[in-house]
Amino acid sequence: NAGVTQTPKFQVLKTGQSMTLQCAQDMNHNSMYWYRQDPGMGLRLIYYSASEGTTDKGEVPNGYNVSRLNKREFSLRLESAAPSQTSVYFCASSERTLGSPLHFGNGTRLTVT
Amino acid sequence: LAKTTQPISMDSYEGQEVNITCSHNNIATNDYITWYQQFPSQGPRFIIQGYKTKVTNEVASLFIPADRKSSTLSLPRVSLSDTAVYYCLVGPYGGSQGNLIFGKGTKLSVKP
Repeated sequence: NAGVTQTPKFQVLKTGQSMTLQCAQDMNHNSMYWYRQDPGMGLRLIYYSASEGTTDKGEVPNGYNVSRLNKREFSLRLESAAPSQTSVYFCASSERTLGSPLHFGNGTRLTVT
Repeated sequence: LAKTTQPISMDSYEGQEVNITCSHNNIATNDYITWYQQFPSQGPRFIIQGYKTKVTNEVASLFIPADRKSSTLSLPRVSLSDTAVYYCLVGPYGGSQGNLIFGKGTKLSVKP
């Protein structure tokens, strides 16, 4: 099992460009999440999807959109990238059951110039 | 949401036991305590979770006093490979975890 797979691993964008970060999990989990991690800031939740067909805002949703394409896939889109969105983005998933831990991918390192 | 407070950094030597304490004074009745470990350039990895008293697995132990206002992650006989950032999270049991908040964590440095 691959667990949580994120693509791409690295990306450089110019200000104003758009892109979509892809995430897929093969653990049949119901819930999926997008976090960003900036130096000295810990992880901050951008959006999450409690189950297929639902999405909700997290702590820092501005400038982002998400799509829960199916149970396996949850994408994060930057419509008009800004330098403030330079960060490492992590996707995670969990079962919507008692005491289920988060399973993380290895991240996408995004630089916006 | 229960806020957590943990030391920013800790140093240790190989072979020592390391205890990282997390304060969560506003923990709710249905909240569980979960710890994650993160190595550089990787996503966080689940270590251990508990509600009260003591939980032990092959990696660590988690001690939770009766009032549940704090918890202590114990790593026995650390090695250089335990150098990582450790996060303490408090959140409700069951359901999606969209309201879990990762703080800045504790950066553990293990020296030879």
